Amino acid sequence: GENVEQHPSTLSVQEGDSAVIKCTYSDSASNYFPWYKQELGKRPQLIIDIRSNVGEKKDQRIAVTLNKTAKHFSLHITETQPEDSAVYFCAATIQGAQKLVFGQGTRLTINP
Amino acid sequence: DVKVTQSSRYLVKRTGEKVFLECVQDMDHENMFWYRQDPGLGLRLIYFSYDVKMKEKGDIPEGYSVSREKKERFSLILESASTNQTSMYLCASKPDWNQGRPQHFGDGTRLSIL
Repeated sequence: GENVEQHPSTLSVQEGDSAVIKCTYSDSASNYFPWYKQELGKRPQLIIDIRSNVGEKKDQRIAVTLNKTAKHFSLHITETQPEDSAVYFCAATIQGAQKLVFGQGTRLTINP
Repeated sequence: DVKVTQSSRYLVKRTGEKVFLECVQDMDHENMFWYRQDPGLGLRLIYFSYDVKMKEKGDIPEGYSVSREKKERFSLILESASTNQTSMYLCASKPDWNQGRPQHFGDGTRLSIL
């Protein structure tokens, strides 16, 4: 079955700097890759997703890149702000499959 | 906006008790999921359901069962609660069984088994 590895487990950056979180997946048939943000005490919420027919997707300060050959995808946050502090989860799924396989999560801290 | 509602935010139960966690979604989604969330382990799938009365095991189904009698409601049952089931439990729902669509999560139930 699919396995998703996420790194780093914790990340601390200065406000205004960029943050990058990386995930690798094992099943080459995976074709949908969402990213979730979970603030303390709140539910995970989708922040961006990408499908395998696209190499990069951007939404304001957030971007996701996908390398199908290497089977990895990354979340990039630019100009970080204190409200970006949260736990971020990557996930992967195979077309036709209902379930997502999640990475272990990255706790991102933005230092003022 | 999709609303996934879990019946309790916090729950404390005793070892050996039968525990019910309830989840309701209001968007007529076919698919519903139960996860547990533990530090350093991410979200692990316990069970999911793609239709009324249908269920499939996820990655960690041992010690759990589920019930889906109505499309909007998906219940997680701990048959005989044990201390290693102390965790955060998250419910999620998703439409479109055959396409890549995001899951929508509830606020979670933090369950403590004493």
